[in-house]
Amino acid sequence: SQQGEEDPQALSIQEGENATMNCSYKTSINNLQWYRQNSGRGLVHLILIRSNEREKHSGRLRVTLDTSKKSSSLLITASRAADTASYFCATSARGGSEKLVFGKGTKLTVNP
Amino acid sequence: DTAVSQTPKYLVTQMGNDKSIKCEQNLGHDTMYWYKQDSKKFLKIMFSYNNKELIINETVPNRFSPKSPDKAHLNLHINSLELGDSAVYFCASSQKSDNLKLFFGSGTQLSVL
Repeated sequence: SQQGEEDPQALSIQEGENATMNCSYKTSINNLQWYRQNSGRGLVHLILIRSNEREKHSGRLRVTLDTSKKSSSLLITASRAADTASYFCATSARGGSEKLVFGKGTKLTVNP
Repeated sequence: DTAVSQTPKYLVTQMGNDKSIKCEQNLGHDTMYWYKQDSKKFLKIMFSYNNKELIINETVPNRFSPKSPDKAHLNLHINSLELGDSAVYFCASSQKSDNLKLFFGSGTQLSVL
């Protein structure tokens, strides 16, 4: 299965701390994306990293990709209460059908 | 000016009924999807359409029938609803050339009683 697995399943931190979430996947990929889902809402795209990239930044977000280990991490720096949400990684398989397969998500709680 | 809108937001119905969920996107995207999110938040693709043509059907029971009248709309009709169909259904769209970056609707929470 191509499905990604996020780790940890749940993470609780204090405002101002950094939050790191990890994702592992099983197949060769074209790209890996991270999405955020606030409670009761749809998913929102955060950042995309291509298979030939190792690191990418967007504001307070930093994503790394290690294709040899088939893993990625999402770092949120200086977290805020508004960052409280579930975070999902999603992969598109190289040479596979054109679909995005999501992991099971990490539920992040940032306490004020 | 909502990009991907789906209706209704909540749907409560009895087992055995037939119901539809509608989705529209105003982003000019050529590909639309239906995803199902279960109670454990696991998100699984059901269907995708590209320019009104079905391109992905992920072994979904044939009680689920998507219909795409044009590339801006993708509706989902469900016949003979079962308890296990209770979930949140998300519509999404993307531009084929844009690395499968998805834009999601806000979801339809379906409860089958």
